[in-house]
Amino acid sequence: GIQVEQSPPDLILQEGANSTLRCNFSDSVNNLQWFHQNPWGQLINLFYIPSGTKQNGRLSATTVATERYSLLYISSSQTTDSGVYFCAVRPGGGADGLTFGKGTHLIIQP
Amino acid sequence: DTAVSQTPKYLVTQMGNDKSIKCEQNLGHDTMYWYKQDSKKFLKIMFSYNNKELIINETVPNRFSPKSPDKAHLNLHINSLELGDSAVYFCASSQEKRGSYEQYFGPGTRLTVT
Repeated sequence: GIQVEQSPPDLILQEGANSTLRCNFSDSVNNLQWFHQNPWGQLINLFYIPSGTKQNGRLSATTVATERYSLLYISSSQTTDSGVYFCAVRPGGGADGLTFGKGTHLIIQP
Repeated sequence: DTAVSQTPKYLVTQMGNDKSIKCEQNLGHDTMYWYKQDSKKFLKIMFSYNNKELIINETVPNRFSPKSPDKAHLNLHINSLELGDSAVYFCASSQEKRGSYEQYFGPGTRLTVT
């Protein structure tokens, strides 16, 4: 099956810093999503981005489908950005579920 | 007006019991899913269900069975619960026919088996 690798696995930053999270995947996809799992366990949809670039406030994401990677940018980090960031992909069509990476655990210190 | 809802939010039960987790989506989506998040936070697909087509992840024990009374609901039944079933279970949905495959997740159900 498709492989998803996220890096770095852990990241500790000071409030106000910028960060880039990476997701590499091993096959072509028709779905790529970024999620933020907050300390209360909620999975929050950040981006649906199988290709191209999107921005939402301080967050933006870019997927280069031909090179099989996606990047999530967080600017001016806030303590509420802490949590685990997951990249998830799905190859092809059909009703298959998403394959998740192991996540990047982000801690923003005040 | 939550898009994908699950009940209960927490479930504590003993080994050997049978339990169910309910999932409802009000998005008009045609495909629903169940995922399991283990103690190491790893998320894995268990089932996909689309218009009576069920796709099962081969690693899921047959003690787990999804049941869909209608397009808006996909419930998860678990028989003979084991300690290793303790996890957070997430339901999700998507609308495949429109060509956007974005999945929307519920809040999760934390199952603890003692």
